[in-house]
Amino acid sequence: ILNVEQSPQSLHVQEGDSTNFTCSFPSSNFYALHWYRWETAKSPEALFVMTLNGDEKKKGRISATLNTKEGYSYLYIKGSQPEDSATYLCAFISSGSARQLTFGSGTQLTVLP
Amino acid sequence: DSGVTQTPKHLITATGQRVTLRCSPRSGDLSVYWYQQSLDQGLQFLIQYYNGEERAKGNILERFSAQQFPDLHSELNLSSLELGDSALYFCASSSRTAGGRKETQYFGPGTRLLVL
Repeated sequence: ILNVEQSPQSLHVQEGDSTNFTCSFPSSNFYALHWYRWETAKSPEALFVMTLNGDEKKKGRISATLNTKEGYSYLYIKGSQPEDSATYLCAFISSGSARQLTFGSGTQLTVLP
Repeated sequence: DSGVTQTPKHLITATGQRVTLRCSPRSGDLSVYWYQQSLDQGLQFLIQYYNGEERAKGNILERFSAQQFPDLHSELNLSSLELGDSALYFCASSSRTAGGRKETQYFGPGTRLLVL
């Protein structure tokens, strides 16, 4: 059983604050790490697919880093806005699998105006 | 809009019944994945199909089955339903292109199933 953990479970920040959260995954048999953004009543939306140790990805004010040797990824949001409020999910794919995603339980972010 | 469609959006049924959930992948995507989101659990992988063939099974109960048709749409069949089967069921599709390490799975809007 693959263990993918995310912390914190939930987070409240003020508009304009920068924030970050963590995804931990098995460091062996790494294939890829995905980040998704999931707004209430919508479907999970892909943010990043990360495959190489040291990868850094950026999309607007959101960025992510990857450390496959120690088994963690960070997601950063700079200057949070209320529309960033969502649950952020990471999902791990192990090598040798059929590419199915093993999800963490998510970090629920609320940005207060 | 991810391009993945699922029907119905909502389904209310009784224990012991059987339902079918339908998923149409993005145009050109050969892989379809089914996931379940229960109240007390995160998104759990159920089953994957690639170009009509079953590729992987996750935590899928024996009462559940799926198939992928020649036009690549997929159906998830849930039978002898129990209260605990109430959940949000997502399907996702991906293209499985060559060197597909960076391929993204695109999620549909989900079917919310309520078993009473």
